[in-house]
Amino acid sequence: DAGVTQSPTHLIKTRGQQVTLRCSPKSGHDTVSWYQQALGQGPQFIFQYYEEEERQRGNFPDRFSGHQFPNYSSELNVNALLLGDSALYLCASSPLGPGPYEQYFGPGTRLTVT
Amino acid sequence: AQSVTQLDSQVPVFEEAPVELRCNYSSSVSVYLFWYVQYPNQGLQLLLKYLSGSTLVKGINGFEAEFNKSQTSFHLRKPSVHISDTAEYFCAVSAGNTDKLIFGTGTRLQVFP
Repeated sequence: DAGVTQSPTHLIKTRGQQVTLRCSPKSGHDTVSWYQQALGQGPQFIFQYYEEEERQRGNFPDRFSGHQFPNYSSELNVNALLLGDSALYLCASSPLGPGPYEQYFGPGTRLTVT
Repeated sequence: AQSVTQLDSQVPVFEEAPVELRCNYSSSVSVYLFWYVQYPNQGLQLLLKYLSGSTLVKGINGFEAEFNKSQTSFHLRKPSVHISDTAEYFCAVSAGNTDKLIFGTGTRLQVFP
């Protein structure tokens, strides 16, 4: 049973560029959440997708957007990159239902903005 | 709104000694509580969770935690640590009908031989 997978593992971008990160949820899960973890900090919730719709959103600017596909995989897009966007981006999946459910995390994508 | 405070940023301990990592939360509604561990350059792995029922929760790798509603705490304990327990530990809370997690800033557990 494959867990949550993310790609790429590492990424280096320049300020002002755009980036797309990808996530495949754990088998049987249909809800995907994205978190940003800055160095030395706890993860911060960006948003959550279910049924191809953004279900919840954290306190992140509109430069951060996402998408969920019919197979439940998801993308995180960040436009106009800033140095402060350098972080580990974590994807987590969970089943939707009466809950509550634990979230299963992927290994993350390390984004460096120069 | 919910918040989580991890009172210790670093906890050094010798191998085979007991350890407690402290976590306090704030919420106006009922909460669900979690402890995750993060090894270097890896994602988060769930250690244990409190959803309801018994306030003493047992998790993987010999860890346990106790939910104390009156003190709004969820401290993590292990009676005897190993070198391999060296990692970053995060306490997290979710509330209501959402599984959005609010994390603390983490506690770095360093186990020395």
